[in-house]
Amino acid sequence: GENVEQHPSTLSVQEGDSAVIKCTYSDSASNYFPWYKQELGKGPQLIIDIRSNVGEKKDQRIAVTLNKTAKHFSLHITETQPEDSAVYFCAASLIGQNFVFGPGTRLSVLP
Amino acid sequence: GAGVSQSPSNKVTEKGKDVELRCDPISGHTALYWYRQSLGQGLEFLIYFQGNSAPDKSGLPSDRFSAERTGGSVSTLTIQRTQQEDSAVYLCASSPRAPAGTGELFFGEGSRLTVL
Repeated sequence: GENVEQHPSTLSVQEGDSAVIKCTYSDSASNYFPWYKQELGKGPQLIIDIRSNVGEKKDQRIAVTLNKTAKHFSLHITETQPEDSAVYFCAASLIGQNFVFGPGTRLSVLP
Repeated sequence: GAGVSQSPSNKVTEKGKDVELRCDPISGHTALYWYRQSLGQGLEFLIYFQGNSAPDKSGLPSDRFSAERTGGSVSTLTIQRTQQEDSAVYLCASSPRAPAGTGELFFGEGSRLTVL
């Protein structure tokens, strides 16, 4: 079955700097890769996603890149702000199969 | 509009007791998932419901765990004879899309279970 690894497990950046979180997946058939943000005491919330027919997707300060050959995808957050502090989860899925989530990255944006 | 509602938000129980956790999905969402999040860990899939189809129970860790979804809406996750390792946050999510593995998941805030 699918296995998703995520690095780093914790990440601290200065406000205004960029943050990058990387995930690798094992099943080359996976074709949908969402990213979820979980704030303290709340459920995860989708922030961006990418499908396997696209190499990059941007939404304001966040972007996701996908390398199908290497089976990895990354979340990029630019101009980080304190409200970006949260736990971020990547996931991989194939239609008809359940989402497999990575273990999460705790991002701290230091003022 | 109302999001996914879970109750109770916190539950403390003694080892060996049974517990029931409830999930009220977003109206009209046909897919419903249960995940378990242990302290500092990722999201572990438990069970998936889609419409009137047979649920995907492949993630349930033991026969002490069961879940049902009545009328295609509210779902209850039941843990029998709880053990300390069952302590975790149990998250429910619904989705307007099918099949599994597609579309956005809308999560509730979770039920935190502590087994003493």
